[in-house]
Amino acid sequence: QSALTQPASVSGSPGQSITISCTGTRSDVGGYNYVSWYQNHPGKAPKLMICEVSNRPSGVSNRFSGSKSGNTASLTISGLQAEDEADYYCSSYTSSSTWVFGGGTKLTVL
Amino acid sequence: QVQLVESGGGVVQPGRSLRLSCTASGFTFSHISMHWVRQAPGKGLEWVAVITYNGSNKYYADSVKGRFTISRDNSKNTVYLQVNSLRPEDTAVYYCAREGVRDGYHKGFFDYWGQGMLVTVSS
Repeated sequence: QSALTQPASVSGSPGQSITISCTGTRSDVGGYNYVSWYQNHPGKAPKLMICEVSNRPSGVSNRFSGSKSGNTASLTISGLQAEDEADYYCSSYTSSSTWVFGGGTKLTVL
Repeated sequence: QVQLVESGGGVVQPGRSLRLSCTASGFTFSHISMHWVRQAPGKGLEWVAVITYNGSNKYYADSVKGRFTISRDNSKNTVYLQVNSLRPEDTAVYYCAREGVRDGYHKGFFDYWGQGMLVTVSS
């Protein structure tokens, strides 16, 4: 149950777009379309941003989008806003009927 | 509206036990798989355990297998996490989370989370 691999940090200026990658294996990210993304502000519960690789829950801004290619999933945030500054985590279902999170990516809006 | 309220956290000595509870409202609890996720101070999210809607299947992270037990009481809309043989590295905020369902199928994501409760393991 190794954690999925995410960059430790990314940054961008307001209005720009950024992409966060999430790399796993064929036993998790590559094997299932059960990849989801969470936004986590310090001291608050995580918030679901993307589910099933690319589906956006009701109420989530359409500036957030997800995709997957092979064993790597990606979260793209377009039109960066100051309120997007947070930690982001990917998660995947695994072949062991367990779940695994990525190590998290700190997004800084410059 | 969906609400998940955790209780049972606190400070505990190494080697001791705790039972964490999460009481749900606003949805048909007995139809939904429930998870526990934790976050150590300054660290990332770590998935801990899942229990299926009727309690028939339970799965655990390797880091807690054999020490933690997940259970549920659908008559009380509550999911539990019995945490035994606690170690300092179990210190974390523990969240319960609901697994998302679409078209009647569980879809592997966590759509609602509790507020989290801190468990501190220290002598």
